[in-house]
Amino acid sequence: AQTVTQSQPEMSVQEAETVTLSCTYDTSENNYYLFWYKQPPSRQMILVIRQEAYKQQNATENRFSVNFQKAAKSFSLKISDSQLGDTAMYFCAFMILYSGGGADGLTFGKGTHLIIQP
Amino acid sequence: GAVVSQHPSWVICKSGTSVKIECRSLDFQATTMFWYRQFPKQSLMLMATSNEGSKATYEQGVEKDKFLINHASLTLSTLTVTSAHPEDSSFYICSARDPLANQPQHFGDGTRLSIL
Repeated sequence: AQTVTQSQPEMSVQEAETVTLSCTYDTSENNYYLFWYKQPPSRQMILVIRQEAYKQQNATENRFSVNFQKAAKSFSLKISDSQLGDTAMYFCAFMILYSGGGADGLTFGKGTHLIIQP
Repeated sequence: GAVVSQHPSWVICKSGTSVKIECRSLDFQATTMFWYRQFPKQSLMLMATSNEGSKATYEQGVEKDKFLINHASLTLSTLTVTSAHPEDSSFYICSARDPLANQPQHFGDGTRLSIL
């Protein structure tokens, strides 16, 4: 079974600062995806960034980037120039990918409540 | 991009009622859809995997007779909470993935279920 651990229940930073959210996971699988999802108070699940395990290069999406350390099973999210709209719950998630395109459901961490202070 | 539609968004009903939630993939065919449950201030937990044309696969601890899943077409999965009780009150959210497009899972907007 896969597990995802987010050790920071809540974080608070000032607007425009950089913040890093941590995530570690455990799996014996070799082919998988890792994701960061944002969940604002509306509870909509918004994909922030994803990383394929076979790719060594860290994924980047504008102000969001990850530090993927496969050997250490670590997948942290860095948010640069944080904005008030970044305030939300952030979930790290894991998905096994099978040959042929099939996939399992997502395994989520417990989440980090990120608060951006004005 | 791919979109998943979920209805209703909010339902309040009396204890003992059965409630059906629909999850539709709008512009792709989803042979597999997933159902999650999220209690307040907690994470999402996978309940079951809905397979088109076959039985759903339930996670450990999820009662299959309580949470009926039907995936009769490639674009529609339904979750029926049978004889709902207050402890079934939760946020239910579905997701689907277009395997042909190698996309991540796309989520519906969720259903807030309140059992009185």
